[in-house]
Amino acid sequence: NAGVTQTPKFQVLKTGQSMTLQCAQDMNHNSMYWYRQDPGMGLRLIYYSASEGTTDKGEVPNGYNVSRLNKREFSLRLESAAPSQTSVYFCASTFGQGLINEQFFGPGTRLTVL
Amino acid sequence: AQSVTQLDSHVSVSEGTPVLLRCNYSSSYSPSLFWYVQHPNKGLQLLLKYTSAATLVKGINGFEAEFKKSETSFHLTKPSAHMSDAAEYFCVVSDDINNFNKFYFGSGTKLNVKP
Repeated sequence: NAGVTQTPKFQVLKTGQSMTLQCAQDMNHNSMYWYRQDPGMGLRLIYYSASEGTTDKGEVPNGYNVSRLNKREFSLRLESAAPSQTSVYFCASTFGQGLINEQFFGPGTRLTVL
Repeated sequence: AQSVTQLDSHVSVSEGTPVLLRCNYSSSYSPSLFWYVQHPNKGLQLLLKYTSAATLVKGINGFEAEFKKSETSFHLTKPSAHMSDAAEYFCVVSDDINNFNKFYFGSGTKLNVKP
């Protein structure tokens, strides 16, 4: 099992450019999450998908959109990148469905917006 | 609403001495609690979890944590630090709302281990 995979690992964008971060999990998990990590702020939830076919805003959704393509895949899109979106982005998944289980994390995408 | 406070942003210990990383939470009901470790430029790895079974939880690499409801704490300890323990540690509380797990992260504690 690969667990949670993310692509790309690194990306540099210019202000105003767009891009999509890809995430996939092979653990048959129902719930998936996108976080951003900034120094001293822990992880902040951008968007989540409780189950296939549903998505919802987290704590810091402005400037982002998501798509739950199928049960395995959950992508994060930046339509018009801004320097404030320079961060490390983590995708995570958990089984969900009323059971409290740990989240499994991908290796992260380091994004720099110039 | 749930929240997590990690009381120290940085902790420095000498190799071979005990480690204590402090975490307090607020929760309106019985929470599930986790500790994750993040080594530099890596993702987050689960150290241990508490889900209302034994209050003393043992994790990987010799770490353990004790759930104290009266103190709303879930401090992480290790008897003897190793150089490889140098990393950032996150305390996380989770609840289940309408069959969905939501996770709340502390701001992290960076552990430095001196030789």
